[in-house]
Parts: sequence; structure tokens; C-alpha cells
Amino acid sequence: DAGVIQSPRHEVTEMGQEVTLRCKPISGHDYLFWYRQTMMRGLELLIYFNNNVPIDDSGMPEDRFSAKMPNASFSTLKIQPSEPRDSAVYFCASNPTGLAGGPGTDTQYFGPGTRLTVL
Amino acid sequence: QKEVEQNSGPLSVPEGAIASLNCTYSDRVSQSFFWYRQYSGKSPELIMSIYSNGDKEDGRFTAQLNKASQYVSLLIRDSQPSDSATYLCAVGDSNYQLIWGAGTKLIIKP
Repeated sequence: DAGVIQSPRHEVTEMGQEVTLRCKPISGHDYLFWYRQTMMRGLELLIYFNNNVPIDDSGMPEDRFSAKMPNASFSTLKIQPSEPRDSAVYFCASNPTGLAGGPGTDTQYFGPGTRLTVL
Repeated sequence: QKEVEQNSGPLSVPEGAIASLNCTYSDRVSQSFFWYRQYSGKSPELIMSIYSNGDKEDGRFTAQLNKASQYVSLLIRDSQPSDSATYLCAVGDSNYQLIWGAGTKLIIKP
């Protein structure tokens, strides 16, 4: 398996522009997570999906952020309009069985990330 | 608020020595604990998981868990320069979500 695939790997945009990040999870994984990582705040969970349905979006910072998962093999994270404080590395991760529920729970597999710079 | 705390480091260890990384967590009902390694510019990757009190060994890595003290650690024996990375502690909370520490930067000096 190719692992979790993210695109683009790098994105530089100007404030106010729309940004769309894309993710293809590992085939057969029912859970998909979007994270954001910065030096100041570390790794933050933004939203996660189970079987294409958003389960918890409480980590989404504000209405400018939205995420969709139209099918089991594709998800997008959109920022509109983008701001300089959105600059970060955005990771997508997938998991076959769910969250950290106990012994035997599989790990989360991370994609390579998208480094977003908003000027 | 549920928290996972780690010393940010950097922790500098001579090659061949034992590196000891520590993590404390606030949610007493947490049941699952993970150590991820993240090289600079790369994504996190799981190196150890532990669910029961005590030690769990995997090659040069040993995870230690003490739920009474709400403390989990990672020992790396015979440290190698390739172990230089940031180590993230993650704890599964009562809602089965991962709470992440800020990470400890480890530097292995040849």
C-alpha cells in the first residue's frame, strides 16, 4: 500500500485566497483525521471522520475551515479565506479500527503533510 | 482540560548511552499510551504503544507505564545518531481521542 497520500506537499498563497488540501487514506481504513502542527501549539486534531461521516469537528478553529469526505478514498480540508496565522503543517492520518480504544487498537498512520504558508 | 506534558528539551545524550524520555498526563481514566517519533520535516510514526502498567520492550526501546502516578516513559538503549528526533507522547482519553504532548527533542551526540 502506498500509505496515506496528501497533496500538495507545499502550498504558498496570499492572505484572503482559498486553500484546498487533499488526502487519500489507506484503503480499508474507516477513520480519517486532520491535524495541524505548529511550533507554538504542537499537534492539534481539527476533525475526524468515521465511514465518511464527520464525528467531531470541535477542533476546527473557526468557520473559515471546512472539511469533507465524499467517499472512502478522498477527503479535503478547505480554508476560505486564508490568513497568515493559518500557516502550519497539515497532516492527514487514517486508522483501520478507530480511536485509541485499548489493546489491539491500531495506530494512526500519518501522511507526509502539507506545509502551508499564507503571506 | 486534559493535558499531556513533556519536557521540550533538547535532551542531549552521548551515543551508546540510554536516553530517557518522560511524559505525564492529567486524565486518570486514560487507557492507552503511545510514543511517536518525528524526524525534522517528516510526519509522526508510531514506535511504541502500551496499555498496562509495567514495562514493554521492543528491541532497543522500552516503554514504562505507571497509571497510579499518571506517568509514561520511553527508554532508548544504545542510543544512535539516527535516534535524534522529536518524540511525541500521545494518550487516549476517556472519549478515545488522542491527546498529544508537545514533544521532546532528542539529540544523540556521536
